[in-house]
Formats: sequence, C-alpha cells, structure tokens
Amino acid sequence: QSVLTQPPSASETPGQRVTISCSGSSSNIAANTVNWYHQLPGAAPKLLIYNNNERPSGVPERFSGSKSGTSASLAISGLQSEDEADYYCAAWDDSLNAWVFGGGTKVTVL
Amino acid sequence: QVQLVQSGAEVKKPGASVTVSCKASGYTFTSYFMFWVRQAHGQGPEWMGIINPRSGDINYAQRFQGRVTLTRDTSKNTVYMELSSLKSEDTAVYYCARGAVAGAYYYGADVWGQGTTVTVSS
Repeated sequence: QSVLTQPPSASETPGQRVTISCSGSSSNIAANTVNWYHQLPGAAPKLLIYNNNERPSGVPERFSGSKSGTSASLAISGLQSEDEADYYCAAWDDSLNAWVFGGGTKVTVL
Repeated sequence: QVQLVQSGAEVKKPGASVTVSCKASGYTFTSYFMFWVRQAHGQGPEWMGIINPRSGDINYAQRFQGRVTLTRDTSKNTVYMELSSLKSEDTAVYYCARGAVAGAYYYGADVWGQGTTVTVSS
C-alpha cells in the first residue's frame, strides 16, 4: 500500500490531454515539494517534474505539474505514442521521515 | 554531465549479503545527498535510505533498519549499499539517485543510476 495514491491507469488518444492525480497528506504533499518520474520498461526512472511544477532542461513544455493542498497532478498535453510509460509521484514525508512514492500510473496512448 | 554508474548484477543465496556500488561523476560529490531506492518487478519504487556524502550522516527507512548499511568513500566519489540477511523478497532492481538540490534531501532526487539487478535464489 503506497503512501501516495495514484490511479493505476490512464488512457487517451494521440493529441489529447491526460491528467494523473497524486493524493497525499499534510505530512508529505502539503509540507514538501512533489516530483514526478517517468519510467519506460527496463529503464531507470527519469525526472519529469521537480519542485511541484518545474521542468528539467530537455523535458517538453507539454508536461506540466501542479499542487494544491494535499494533492498534486501531472498533465500531459498533445499526447504522443512515446509517452506510453509508467508515471510516479514522490515527496518527502515529515512524519515518516521517509521519501514516499505513489503506486504508479500506466499511461496508454490509444 | 552528471552520471551515476552502478556495479553489475548479482545473484545471491538466501541469508547472504550483497553490496552495490554507485560511482558519481560530473558534479561535486560531497554537495548532494544520495538516495537508495529499490523496485521489485511490476512494483513501484521503494525508498531504502539516504546518505550525506559530506558528513556521512545516514537515514534508513524503518523497514530496512538493521539490514541495510550505507557508506561512502569520498576519495572515490562512490557510495555503497549493503543489504544483509537476504530473502527471496529482496529480488529487485536497486538504484542510487542524487538529491535534486545541493545540501537538501526533502526535494527528492533528480539523476538516477542505471540500476543493479539483485536476484536472491537458492
């Protein structure tokens, strides 16, 4: 059972927008910044969004993050076939004194 | 560029120990915390612990307390993760990952190593 809650799957057709939610609590998402990671099969996770809504260099603008209270979300606009992957949210939890993850959301491009 | 290169795959018997190394390059090694995370097949990532390479201070995840040991060698820009009393449930890919912000751990990690597969089987 993951500390952060994500939907297990999301799907949309190419060119459309998909949004992934990440629900937490006052000790993690509300208290600290949220990162989002993208993972292809057999590869290491790759940072997609840091500090709630910042994109590392090289990440396309169609990826965006937001946070409000105890929840965060990742939006992918202009969905492309290469966006099919697993997506994870993560945040530091002050109560557990641990770095916690969501269970992951598998994005399928229909 | 920032790079983390981990040691190769390991196969261990139950009850044994395994050590995975993570060599950093492309940045000042002592300025960034190093996280260790594992991921079992088909599962999400699970945080194991974190080390401050400058001070050697360590914080372990509660479920691994007593079984995991993190160390660092600043002369080699390398961090090590040792997991003891291995069980079949420890079969997973183990990753090191650099803290996203110098001197801070609560911003999570940015760059990840390539991963080391550890298989525990009799």
